[in-house]
Amino acid sequence: GAVVSQHPSRVICKSGTSVKIECRSLDFQATTMFWYRQFPKQSLMLMATSNEGSKATYEQGVEKDKFLINHASLTLSTLTVTSAHPEDSSFYICSAGGTTSNQPQHFGDGTRLSIL
Amino acid sequence: DAKTTQPTSMDCAEGRAANLPCNHSTISGNEYVYWYRQIHSQGPQYIIHGLKNNETNEMASLIITEDRKSSTLILPHATLRDTAVYYCIVRVSNTGNQFYFGTGTSLTVIP
Repeated sequence: GAVVSQHPSRVICKSGTSVKIECRSLDFQATTMFWYRQFPKQSLMLMATSNEGSKATYEQGVEKDKFLINHASLTLSTLTVTSAHPEDSSFYICSAGGTTSNQPQHFGDGTRLSIL
Repeated sequence: DAKTTQPTSMDCAEGRAANLPCNHSTISGNEYVYWYRQIHSQGPQYIIHGLKNNETNEMASLIITEDRKSSTLILPHATLRDTAVYYCIVRVSNTGNQFYFGTGTSLTVIP
């Protein structure tokens, strides 16, 4: 079945560092990918829709200058958390696939980001 | 915003059927109901989806009421590995097919 791969699975870094997370669709092309954030004991919150070849669409309240999204190819979207601070520590998850409403999205295994 | 409500938690005995309810009273006619589950520290796993008719696959069955205002996910023979948070999601159809997750149901399968 469709596979979505995220890298890295875990990252720990100092405050002020920028961190890039990759999301790849391994066996299909994805014109659209989605990025989510999940805090402990909470549900997934949609952050943005990543569109291949165009600007991402951000959900209300998500800072686009803080969370930079690049979707330069049909199999890769990246999320960069710029100048990360401890409050940005979270579980970041991407999904891809399901370009029509009758097709499921497939999720990556997430990236655990810890900012010290 | 999520268009679904689910019980916060449920228990089920191992080997018994687990029936997880979901209310989606504001669902539109062309919006699908999807079910995913998330095991701790992993990404959500797709289970099943449907529009009007009941659906069954190797993992579960999905029963959708005739008025489509609610549905039930059935795991026919729950195992310990089915312990997870189960999310019922109504897929938004008019703005890009996004998924907005609700709070989900934490299912614990008891030996």
